[in-house]
Amino acid sequence: DAKTTQPNSMESNEEEPVHLPCNHSTISGTDYIHWYRQLPSQGPEYVIHGLTSNVNNRMASLAIAEDRKSSTLILHRATLRDAAVYYCILREGGVETSGSRLTFGEGTQLTVNP
Amino acid sequence: EAQVTQNPRYLITVTGKKLTVTCSQNMNHEYMSWYRQDPGLGLRQIYYSMNVEVTDKGDVPEGYKVSRKEKRNFPLILESPSPNQTSLYFCASRGLGYEQYFGPGTRLTVT
Repeated sequence: DAKTTQPNSMESNEEEPVHLPCNHSTISGTDYIHWYRQLPSQGPEYVIHGLTSNVNNRMASLAIAEDRKSSTLILHRATLRDAAVYYCILREGGVETSGSRLTFGEGTQLTVNP
Repeated sequence: EAQVTQNPRYLITVTGKKLTVTCSQNMNHEYMSWYRQDPGLGLRQIYYSMNVEVTDKGDVPEGYKVSRKEKRNFPLILESPSPNQTSLYFCASRGLGYEQYFGPGTRLTVT
């Protein structure tokens, strides 16, 4: 599996935007970029995913570099409820692969200050 | 409400005493998986199932068994638990889209 690199931790203030970076220099042409987050004492939760183009949904935006070697998850206005570990994951294209295994690294611990 | 449920949420047991952790989803999903989460190792897939009666090993299957007799249920069985299976376990399901839904987790301690 292609590897991702994320900072161990980041801090933000409430109601400010947060940019969470992820490097994936060995990404292949068919790898999708997925983001999940894990709130304290909960299971991981899907946030967003993309292939080449930037993506927006109700939770966040995903900005993907033109060479696809990095991406950034953007939370437009952080709230205290956004404090979580955020995981950037590469997933091979083709949903049948290995029963859709997701390989989670250590992720980025986001702290949101009031 | 769409959800994945796991039981029990917490379990303390002794070495060698067989146990089952249940997992159920109400979304009619084809794919289900079991993961374990350990500090410094992230989440690792134990077993997965692509449909009823179709299961396969993930990255760390040793010491575990699964079955998929019904689409909604995917129990994880530890025939003879050992202390190195002390971990936080998550069940997950996915339909035809890319989004995986995770259960709330089961914290298992084997003494």
